[in-house]
Amino acid sequence: KAGVTQTPRYLIKTRGQQVTLSCSPISGHRSVSWYQQTPGQGLQFLFEYFSETQRNKGNFPGRFSGRQFSNSRSEMNVSTLELGDSALYLCASSPSTGTGTYEQYFGPGTRLTVT
Amino acid sequence: DQQVKQNSPSLSVQEGRISILNCDYTNSMFDYFLWYKKYPAEGPTFLISISSIKDKNEDGRFTVFLNKSAKHLSLHIVPSQPGDSAVYFCAASRVGSNYKLTFGKGTLLTVNP
Repeated sequence: KAGVTQTPRYLIKTRGQQVTLSCSPISGHRSVSWYQQTPGQGLQFLFEYFSETQRNKGNFPGRFSGRQFSNSRSEMNVSTLELGDSALYLCASSPSTGTGTYEQYFGPGTRLTVT
Repeated sequence: DQQVKQNSPSLSVQEGRISILNCDYTNSMFDYFLWYKKYPAEGPTFLISISSIKDKNEDGRFTVFLNKSAKHLSLHIVPSQPGDSAVYFCAASRVGSNYKLTFGKGTLLTVNP
């Protein structure tokens, strides 16, 4: 099976712009989560989608949003970029349906640099 | 408030010896724990997990121990190999919402030949 793929791998944007990142989960996985990794804060949960519905959201401002399509692919959007949004954005997919225990499998990430 | 803590930023061991990575958590609602390994410029790779109903889980060279009363878990790697050199993250979640992982800040393991 192909793993989780994320595009683009690298991105440079300027303050005030917006950005859209894409994630394709492992085939058959319906749950997609997004995480932000920074040197200071580590890996932090952004939000999770299952069957096109957001089930949970982390403590991030409303500038961070996402969506999931019927084929389980997901996008996240960051509007009005700030310098502090520079980070590695990781997508993870899981076969989880909401009950039981399941591992998450991560993609390689998108490195976003805001200048 | 850091709910999952990895107090050792780095650990260095000799090839062939045991590596022990530690993790503490404060949220008693956590009942599912995972370890991930991460190389630079790659996403985390799942290694091993343990449910709170167990106190030990083994997979090849990797063993995770859970001490619920102490809210402590550890990852043992025996024998350590140079290819194990990476950042190791401990993560915790609640069954039923394990799509939301809370991560520690990681421990850089260096295995010297």
